Amino acid sequence: KNEVEQSPQNLTAQEGEFITINCSYSVGISALHWLQQHPGGGIVSLFMLSSGKKKHGRLIATINIQEKHSSLHITASHPRDSAVYICAAMNRDDKIIFGKGTRLHILP
Amino acid sequence: EAGVVQSPRYKIIEKKQPVAFWCNPISGHNTLYWYRQNLGQGPELLIRYENEEAVDDSQLPKDRFSAERLKGVDSTLKIQPAELGDSAVYLCASSFNRGLDGETQYFGPGTRLLVL
Repeated sequence: KNEVEQSPQNLTAQEGEFITINCSYSVGISALHWLQQHPGGGIVSLFMLSSGKKKHGRLIATINIQEKHSSLHITASHPRDSAVYICAAMNRDDKIIFGKGTRLHILP
Repeated sequence: EAGVVQSPRYKIIEKKQPVAFWCNPISGHNTLYWYRQNLGQGPELLIRYENEEAVDDSQLPKDRFSAERLKGVDSTLKIQPAELGDSAVYLCASSFNRGLDGETQYFGPGTRLLVL
């Protein structure tokens, strides 16, 4: 079992829908990252969280340390949000453990 | 401000040949990472540098992979000899000043390697 699990693996939604991607981890962490990877391979760091919630534009990330769970939400989704979203946990030995990613496809 | 620069963007080689990738991190970033990403998978850390020191190379296959970060700025990752299974995207990332609660990493565009 992976130490960082994401769900769903694939998600197709209509433009405008509210999107939620989940990440569960089984290790103690010092921080959790949400990354976005577009076709062609470029990776963008969206958020780094160690507690609570962060918001940037239409993106919201939350983390519950007790439940070892984080969510990434996209409001008013748009086709340009189509990408792979990767959750990465930094454990207490300073190692970064990546989830396998969630492939999101927003239909116009 | 320029982002993380990697070259080449693409490389095709025959198996058993050597190959090298180059990374120029964001100016001022003291931490540099090399990752390997296979198709459909998340990135896998190969090595992490703090300035010129490799502080985590536990996942670097040392029989054929080597890396260096002379002067604590640019870095090169080398594979010699390359094997078919080395075909992947090799990503470089950099960040500034590791804090107690982690840091934001900035990724380069990657080098896509195909070993034939």
